[in-house]
Amino acid sequence: AQSVSQHNHHVILSEAASLELGCNYSYGGTVNLFWYVQYPGQHLQLLLKYFSGDPLVKGIKGFEAEFIKSKFSFNLRKPSVQWSDTAEYFCAVNAQGNNRLAFGKGNQVVVIP
Amino acid sequence: GAVVSQHPSWVICKSGTSVKIECRSLDFQATTMFWYRQFPKQSLMLMATSNEGSKATYEQGVEKDKFLINHASLTLSTLTVTSAHPEDSSFYICSGSGGVPEQYFGPGTRLTVT
Repeated sequence: AQSVSQHNHHVILSEAASLELGCNYSYGGTVNLFWYVQYPGQHLQLLLKYFSGDPLVKGIKGFEAEFIKSKFSFNLRKPSVQWSDTAEYFCAVNAQGNNRLAFGKGNQVVVIP
Repeated sequence: GAVVSQHPSWVICKSGTSVKIECRSLDFQATTMFWYRQFPKQSLMLMATSNEGSKATYEQGVEKDKFLINHASLTLSTLTVTSAHPEDSSFYICSGSGGVPEQYFGPGTRLTVT
């Protein structure tokens, strides 16, 4: 079964700062990788996804993530955050051909205006 | 597109009663639906996977007789928490997938058992 690790559960930063959230997974086979965002009081929304191809994927709202297969990582980045990026961010993984998602514990990100 | 709704958004029930939560895919056919449970400040834990017209597959440790899942159509799945107890109080989230790897999530249902 897949497992997902996210570190630094609480992140506080100022507007315009750069954000990077780490995500590591453990699974030996081919995976699909996702980042979901949950804004306060709202449901989970897909931020970006990686299935195959270019390991650098761009998502909505200026976010991007890079899949590094050798490191089993799929880190999320945004060069300059805004107050509206305050949310919880979840990394998730499923094995290709199996839709069951394994989620990391999430990163609570607070952006101070 | 890819909108999933849940009803109710919150429910309070007495211990020993049963509660049904509905999950609907509004603009796509969800061949597979998933039910998750989210504890405060924690991640989502998959409870079960259901394919339309088939019995649900439950994750290890989830009581299938307590959490009854029905996926009778491509747009509706229901989760019934039977004989609810206070420890069942949680945030229940469903998601749907229309044959693609990504899942689309509902807004969740807050269940409080008194």
